[in-house]
Amino acid sequence: GAVVSQHPSWVICKSGTSVKIECRSLDFQATTMFWYRQFPKQSLMLMATSNEGSKATYEQGVEKDKFLINHASLTLSTLTVTSAHPEDSSFYICSARETTGLHEQYFGPGTRLTVT
Amino acid sequence: TQLLEQSPQFLSIQEGENLTVYCNSSSVFSSLQWYRQEPGEGPVLLVTVVTGGEVKKLKRLTFQFGDARKDSSLHITAAQPGDTGLYLCAGVRGGSYIPTFGRGTSLIVHP
Repeated sequence: GAVVSQHPSWVICKSGTSVKIECRSLDFQATTMFWYRQFPKQSLMLMATSNEGSKATYEQGVEKDKFLINHASLTLSTLTVTSAHPEDSSFYICSARETTGLHEQYFGPGTRLTVT
Repeated sequence: TQLLEQSPQFLSIQEGENLTVYCNSSSVFSSLQWYRQEPGEGPVLLVTVVTGGEVKKLKRLTFQFGDARKDSSLHITAAQPGDTGLYLCAGVRGGSYIPTFGRGTSLIVHP
């Protein structure tokens, strides 16, 4: 299957600082990437859909000014958590959708964010 | 209201037992995916079903897509401790390409 990487795998930051998470599709091009948030023992919550070369589409209740998404190339999308607070601590997962075939999406390994 | 109802939410069984996980909806999906996720990792795609009535097998795992493409099931035969994880179904409606996830089924297989 296709490979998606995420960096960093975990990060600890102080309240008020910003954190950038990268999502890369390693062996395929992805015009669409998705950003999810996951709480312990729960399913994935879609935050936003990232489209290459255009603005991201945010789900209801997700602050676009707090969670900045940039999808500058067909293999890279970034999520920046601005002015992070402890309640932003979570597991963030990205996925990239193939543009051909069954349009399957492949997930990155996730990023554990802890805001102190 | 959850678009995709997944059940059971939790399952704790002994090694060697069989189990079935269900994913139900009132909506029609153009495709449905099943994923398995281990703690601290991202979900891994197991299978995609696209045709009503389709059955796919992956070793001891059998996936079925309902005839009306509104529901799906995952059956595991002779479960092993290595099957432990969170199983997620995700449906994609035609023209959207944005998947909708079920709540997940947390499976623990005891040796």
